[in-house]
Formats: sequence, C-alpha cells, structure tokens
Amino acid sequence: ETGVTQTPRHLVMGMTNKKSLKCEQHLGHNAMYWYKQSAKKPLELMFVYNFKEQTENNSVPSRFSPECPNSSHLFLHLHTLQPEDSALYLCASSQGVSYTEAFFGQGTRLTVV
Amino acid sequence: QKEVEQNSGPLSVPEGAIASLNCTYSDRGSQSFFWYRQYSGKSPELIMFIYSNGDKEDGRFTAQLNKASQYVSLLIRDSQPSDSATYLCAVNVPGGKLIFGQGTELSVKP
Repeated sequence: ETGVTQTPRHLVMGMTNKKSLKCEQHLGHNAMYWYKQSAKKPLELMFVYNFKEQTENNSVPSRFSPECPNSSHLFLHLHTLQPEDSALYLCASSQGVSYTEAFFGQGTRLTVV
Repeated sequence: QKEVEQNSGPLSVPEGAIASLNCTYSDRGSQSFFWYRQYSGKSPELIMFIYSNGDKEDGRFTAQLNKASQYVSLLIRDSQPSDSATYLCAVNVPGGKLIFGQGTELSVKP
C-alpha cells in the first residue's frame, strides 16, 4: 500500500536534536494532515493543510513546525522535543477537507530520549 | 464533553457473533462519519463511511447513523478472530476537521 508514504518509520532523537518527518501522497488529494497518537489516547489532530495552505493549527507547541511545499508533500520539523512527545505520528490525506474520508500513512514511531 | 466518544472496551464477542460498536458526537453540524480499523502497531484503515441517516451495508459491516440522537454505530456480522482490532469512530465537524474518538478495542474469541 503506497497511497500515503511516511519516512522514517522509526526515529529516536535526543531532546536537543533537530529532525524532520516526511509524508508523500500519491492519491491526487488536496488536503493533508498530521495526527499524533499516544498510548490510550484518541488520535489528536495537529495540523491541516488544504491546497498547501495551513487551515488548522490545533494549539500545537512551536517545537513542532509543519511545512507543505505542495499538495503531495508534507513535513513535520521537530526541535527541542520533550520525552512526552514520544508517540506515533500519522500523516493523512483526503480529496478535500469536508465530507471526504482520510487515508493514512503507516506512521513514524518517535521516541524522544 | 468530548467531541467524539466511544467506549474503550475491550469488547469481547465469540466467533460468529454480531459485534456492535457505538459512537456519539457533540457537534450537530457534523455531516460525515467514518469507521476506521486499527490493528496493533499499524495505521488506521478506513472500513466504512456514512453521510445519511439510516443504515449502510458493506459485506459483513453495517454502519448506522441517527443524526437526531447524534449517534453512529458499526455492526460486524459473523465476527472473525481477524476482526480483532481497535475500531475508531471519526466525525468530520464543521470547518473541515476530522475528529476521532478514543477507539473501542474488539476481541473476537475463537
């Protein structure tokens, strides 16, 4: 399944590191999303991009910085993270932001040490 | 009140039985509703969506929507051990945000 591809699949980083997560969708969709999934918690919406424009920032700390250069690519830049930021980070895409189903990538399992 | 609520479970059913998963949502303006299945260590996979009141059937799965009661459910007939997973209810709320419930863990016992 290669509709939405995320890299890397696993990432371990120190609290002073800077890293980036990458997402690419091959579905011709116009909207892309970042979600965070922590153990025993619902999927938390972080950011929404529609036609490359950010339409939602769900009160995410500034140590998470998204970038959407085009409708097919989405990045999440990480810096000075905390151990509680360890989670599964999921990228998703959809045809539009309303009424349409979202398709997920396989996620990046992030561990902050 | 949470925007989307589900019982976390675990819900345990015997093989061949009907599994019933329930979800309520708070925003009356919500128009589209989705059920995702997530196996342990994997990403969510869309299995059903429903936009109109009533039932929608797809194979062994039936989604039911009642907008007046702000309630959506998923029935799985002839449950199989391979159906054991966490089922996530998602609601597209006005403004274009797809909000998820915490998920219900389903266990189908052989």
